[in-house]
Amino acid sequence: SQQGEEDPQALSIQEGENATMNCSYKTSINNLQWYRQNSGRGLVHLILIRSNEREKHSGRLRVTLDTSKKSSSLLITASRAADTASYFCATGVNDMRFGAGTRLTVKP
Amino acid sequence: DSGVTQTPKHLITATGQRVTLRCSPRSGDLSVYWYQQSLDQGLQFLIQYYNGEERAKGNILERFSAQQFPDLHSELNLSSLELGDSALYFCASSVGTNEKLFFGSGTQLSVL
Repeated sequence: SQQGEEDPQALSIQEGENATMNCSYKTSINNLQWYRQNSGRGLVHLILIRSNEREKHSGRLRVTLDTSKKSSSLLITASRAADTASYFCATGVNDMRFGAGTRLTVKP
Repeated sequence: DSGVTQTPKHLITATGQRVTLRCSPRSGDLSVYWYQQSLDQGLQFLIQYYNGEERAKGNILERFSAQQFPDLHSELNLSSLELGDSALYFCASSVGTNEKLFFGSGTQLSVL
């Protein structure tokens, strides 16, 4: 079964807008990770946030974590057409499990 | 380039056959993970190895088996293949467990 579940399943925005994706998970975590996948390619790690952190930034990415609600969000600011991809959250200890992903389309 | 090598990139076979997918992790990584991704689906966790030992098992069918060798490369064996086994199979590696994963480019398996 999946550990994380992303929401929404699909998101379409205009270039320059911000994109927000959410992830909910079920069990206690040590950390939560976000990954990006361009169509049919291998996943690429974006950011890792530990359970004792509430917010983390990396370039145009901002991740928040609310362990009381078992949820996380990924914000991409000033989106670009090149950000078009699927985004996944992942949690786990020995078993890193991924959600079904959010498919983001950024229109030029 | 993630440093994780998967071979072959593409595999076409028939139902009932057996195939072996191979993964070489990044230099220094001890953990290897296997995932299955069907068309437009998320990643299904199959199995994880750490330094040669199985550490976690997910939704892996009994027809599937895997192992990690002393040189840390891993193989995923799929037998008695069915049409529904057609998918993209990814291998990922990390230094330890619960850490950043580096993914290979995947093996596209087509069962005809």
